[in-house]
Order: sequence, then structure tokens, then C-alpha cells
Amino acid sequence: DIVMTQSPLSLPVTPGEPASISCRSSQSLFDSDDGNTYLDWYLQKPGQSPQVLIYTLSYRASGVPDRFSGSGSATDFTLKINRVEAEDVGVYFCMQRKEFPWTFGPGTKVEIK
Amino acid sequence: QVQLVQSGAEVKKSGSSVKVSCKASGGTFSSYAVSWVRQAPGQGLEWMGGVIPILGSTNYAQKFQGRVTITADESTSTAYMELSSLRSEDTALYFCARLRSSVNKLQYFDYWGQGTLVTVSS
Repeated sequence: DIVMTQSPLSLPVTPGEPASISCRSSQSLFDSDDGNTYLDWYLQKPGQSPQVLIYTLSYRASGVPDRFSGSGSATDFTLKINRVEAEDVGVYFCMQRKEFPWTFGPGTKVEIK
Repeated sequence: QVQLVQSGAEVKKSGSSVKVSCKASGGTFSSYAVSWVRQAPGQGLEWMGGVIPILGSTNYAQKFQGRVTITADESTSTAYMELSSLRSEDTALYFCARLRSSVNKLQYFDYWGQGTLVTVSS
């Protein structure tokens, strides 16, 4: 199985300031057949089900604010928040869809300082 | 608006089975794959497997192979996840989630159920 790791696991943030979360995979998530990298980002707000932010490395899902962006290469990925807002608190998970079983990172808990 | 509504919390004995349902409304059910993802208390997310209702085809994580059965009933727009031989480690919140597209590049889980807590006691 592809192992996903994240850092940091806890991230205190200041509203209005930028923030970034790193994710790493044990194998490349780049598909040479179609040129896509199958890495998604989800946010689970307290007491809620997860919600998608970014899919296929860098595409923002419908309705997601443009302060969220995803980037990276074959095994190293970053989620950036331009200016953190109070509503962005929760646990952020990266997930790979390169091969089954799809696997998630351990999560990064974002809290307001 | 699409909604996935799951069945209520369950308390089960070790060794028994549980079947959780996920009823879709507000959209076309059959064409979209549905996955099941679980979350142990205070832990991360774990993909268990999925089903494509219109094809009846399934895909399971090796970890759960032989213990999990995921099905879909097109007539009621409901997906099911049955887990057998329950043990304490299976205590978790179980989510169903709809996969947005059949095209890999465009896929993500766009709608999630509210979660069903399954507690396994000895």
C-alpha cells in the first residue's frame, strides 16, 4: 500500500497569515499514462464529515475559496492557504488515488493561535 | 442538492456483523461510485472499498477482503456496507462518500454521509 505522511501534525495559525501543509507519498503518484498526479486534499471541520478542497494535485473543487491551492511533484505535495480565516480550522488530510487501496495521510490539525 | 443519509448508530458484540446503509437523494444514484471510509476515535481516515451501482462492481482494500461486503440497490438508491467478524478495533465512525466522476482526473468525493458510529464490545 502507498503510505502517506504529513507535516506538521499540528499547526497553530494566525488569521490573515499564510499557512502550508506538507504531504509525502511512499511512491510516485504521477500517472505517466495520462500525465496526472492523483493527490487530493480534504478538510474535516470539527464534528463534520470531510469536504474536498483540492483534487488531482492542483484543481480546486467547486465552491472552494481561491485562498486554497495545491502543488507538488511525484511524491512531495503542499497545500497552501493564502490568508487563513477562522473557518479554516479543522484537520486536513491528503489522499492518494494513484492505486488501490486509496490511502490517507494522518492529518494535520489546524488551530487558531 | 444531493444528500447521503446513513443509518443510525450500532452497538455490536465481538464476532458479530453490522450492516450500514447510505441512502442517496437529490441526484442520479446509479452512475456514481460510492466508497466507504472509516475513522477510528481520534484517528485518521481509512478507505475500505467501493461499489459502482450501475455495474454492481466492487473494489475492496486488501485489509478488509473477506470481511467486508459493499452492495448497492438501485431501486432504493441505497448503498450498504456489511462488516463481519467484528472486533474491538472496528469501533469507528463509518462514512459513505460519492465519487464525483468516472474520469480519473476529475474524481473526488463530493458528497459524504453524516457518518454512522459502530461500537464493538466484548
